[in-house]
Amino acid sequence: KAGVTQTPRYLIKTRGQQVTLSCSPISGHRSVSWYQQTPGQGLQFLFEYFSETQRNKGNFPGRFSGRQFSNSRSEMNVSTLELGDSALYLCASSANVDPDVLTFGAGSRLTVL
Amino acid sequence: ILNVEQSPQSLHVQEGDSTNFTCSFPSSNFYALHWYRWETAKSPEALFVMTLNGDEKKKGRISATLNTKEGYSYLYIKGSQPEDSATYLCAPYNNNDMRFGAGTRLTVKP
Repeated sequence: KAGVTQTPRYLIKTRGQQVTLSCSPISGHRSVSWYQQTPGQGLQFLFEYFSETQRNKGNFPGRFSGRQFSNSRSEMNVSTLELGDSALYLCASSANVDPDVLTFGAGSRLTVL
Repeated sequence: ILNVEQSPQSLHVQEGDSTNFTCSFPSSNFYALHWYRWETAKSPEALFVMTLNGDEKKKGRISATLNTKEGYSYLYIKGSQPEDSATYLCAPYNNNDMRFGAGTRLTVKP
């Protein structure tokens, strides 16, 4: 059974650019959540999608957006990148909504120069 | 927004020591509490999902208890080993919202 797949694993962008990260959940999982981790910070919740609908959103500016497709794959987009957006972005999937266990991907490490 | 506190922030113990740490969360509208273990250069892995007050779960040398009325959970590690070195995260689920604590970073010295 394939795990949660995130692409790309590493990327470097410059300020002002935009980036799109992809997450393919475990087959059959319908919920996908996104988290940001920066040095010294815990996992900061970005958003959660279930059956193509955003269920919850964290306290991030509108430059951060996401979507989920009918096959449960999800993308998140960050526009007008800032230096502070440099972080590890993790996605996690679960079969249903909470309290299902989350299975995390390996993450996408974004560096903004 | 959930206010989740984990203590201590970091912990250094010797191999063979037993240790425990705390997760505090709002008790109102509680639904579930997750514990995850995050080793360096790996992804967080689920340890426990707990829902009932007084619940106690065990996985090998690691166990956890839950008090939903007062809003806390304890994670215990018996006879710590170097491979237990990781950050341990808790995440309560209240009001359709799940947020992670900042974690307790455990280092076990051989």
